[in-house]
Amino acid sequence: AQSVTQPDIHITVSEGASLELRCNYSYGATPYLFWYVQSPGQGLQLLLKYFSGDTLVQGIKGFEAEFKRSQSSFNLRKPSVHWSDAAEYFCAVVANYGGATNKLIFGTGTLLAVQP
Amino acid sequence: KAGVTQTPRYLIKTRGQQVTLSCSPISGHRSVSWYQQTPGQGLQFLFEYFSETQRNKGNFPGRFSGRQFSNSRSEMNVSTLELGDSALYLCASSLVGGEAFFGQGTRLTVV
Repeated sequence: AQSVTQPDIHITVSEGASLELRCNYSYGATPYLFWYVQSPGQGLQLLLKYFSGDTLVQGIKGFEAEFKRSQSSFNLRKPSVHWSDAAEYFCAVVANYGGATNKLIFGTGTLLAVQP
Repeated sequence: KAGVTQTPRYLIKTRGQQVTLSCSPISGHRSVSWYQQTPGQGLQFLFEYFSETQRNKGNFPGRFSGRQFSNSRSEMNVSTLELGDSALYLCASSLVGGEAFFGQGTRLTVV
């Protein structure tokens, strides 16, 4: 069965520092992968997606992620964190991609705190 | 282009009551999915509708049901509410094989 693991529950970084959030997936075929961000009490906002092609994908708000098939990873990065990036980040994979579903399987999330 | 609209944003219900939540997807999106988010269980898939047909269902009791209308708007219903049903309910709309766009959610509190 497909699954997504986010090993870090909480991460604290200083404003201006670089950021890397880890995501590992379990999926038999080429996955469709996503990163979402959620502010408290709000819905999920799509940061970026990987469907195929270039393994380094650019997203909104200066985020990027790299798909590494050999490591089953899709880590999210940002070179310089802003205080407004404090939020919870979720990695997700589409279950059984093939057009038959848009069901997402989510990781448990990583809560990012930004120190001034 | 308008985003996904969920109504109401907040609800307080009493145990044993039932509740209906509404979701209007992005125009042109025919796939609508529902998720429950709680601090303990995280984001869990409830069900997915496509062209008025339920295409997938998560592991939730039969008290949770949904439907989709011909205009792609969707509703979910929870009957005989329990305290554990308190959660943020999120709706997402998608094109076929595309990324999901989420609404702001409905915060349900059961007392």
